[in-house]
Amino acid sequence: SQTIHQWPATLVQPVGSPLSLECTVEGTSNPNLYWYRQAAGRGLQLLFYSVGIGQISSEVPQNLSASRPQDRQFILSSKKLLLSDSGFYLCAWRNGLNTEAFFGQGTRLTVV
Amino acid sequence: GESVGLHLPTLSVQEGDNSIINCAYSNSASDYFIWYKQESGKGPQFIIDIRSNMDKRQGQRVTVLLNKTVKHLSLQIAATQPGDSAVYFCAEKEGNQFYFGTGTSLTVIP
Repeated sequence: SQTIHQWPATLVQPVGSPLSLECTVEGTSNPNLYWYRQAAGRGLQLLFYSVGIGQISSEVPQNLSASRPQDRQFILSSKKLLLSDSGFYLCAWRNGLNTEAFFGQGTRLTVV
Repeated sequence: GESVGLHLPTLSVQEGDNSIINCAYSNSASDYFIWYKQESGKGPQFIIDIRSNMDKRQGQRVTVLLNKTVKHLSLQIAATQPGDSAVYFCAEKEGNQFYFGTGTSLTVIP
């Protein structure tokens, strides 16, 4: 069966520090991968998606970047965090044309 | 499209009653729609989906209705239970992207 792992679950980082959130998927190959951000009490904002290794599409201009160094690994990064980067970050994957996306358990990032 | 900047609307229902959660989508080219349930501090979980060539789909205690004319999606939960309390999101697929609606916070009153 397929599983998605996202870590860490919580993270507190100072302003100006770097960020690296990792997401890995098991039990499937060549998935579409997604990073979403959710502010408290808000909806989900699509940040990046990837259809293959090294292929990244960005939805919104921001202080973040994404990379896909391996087929089932998706990394969200920042060189210098801002207070506004605080939020709940969710990784998701999906396969197939019309299938649902499966989400990880999320990382709650607090920038202080 | 996305409405990520808006506060979540809320819905309170009595245990045992039926719940109806509504969602408006923006892109008439969207061909696939999903309802997700998100409990506090967790990732969204799939509830039910529907393709654009359908107008109704039923699951266990849940029904999704799709009205393409007015670009409206609804989720009906029968005999709502306390465990149904959560935030519910609709999502539309455009190509490879999934875009989420604002979400609705459902509270079930025992």
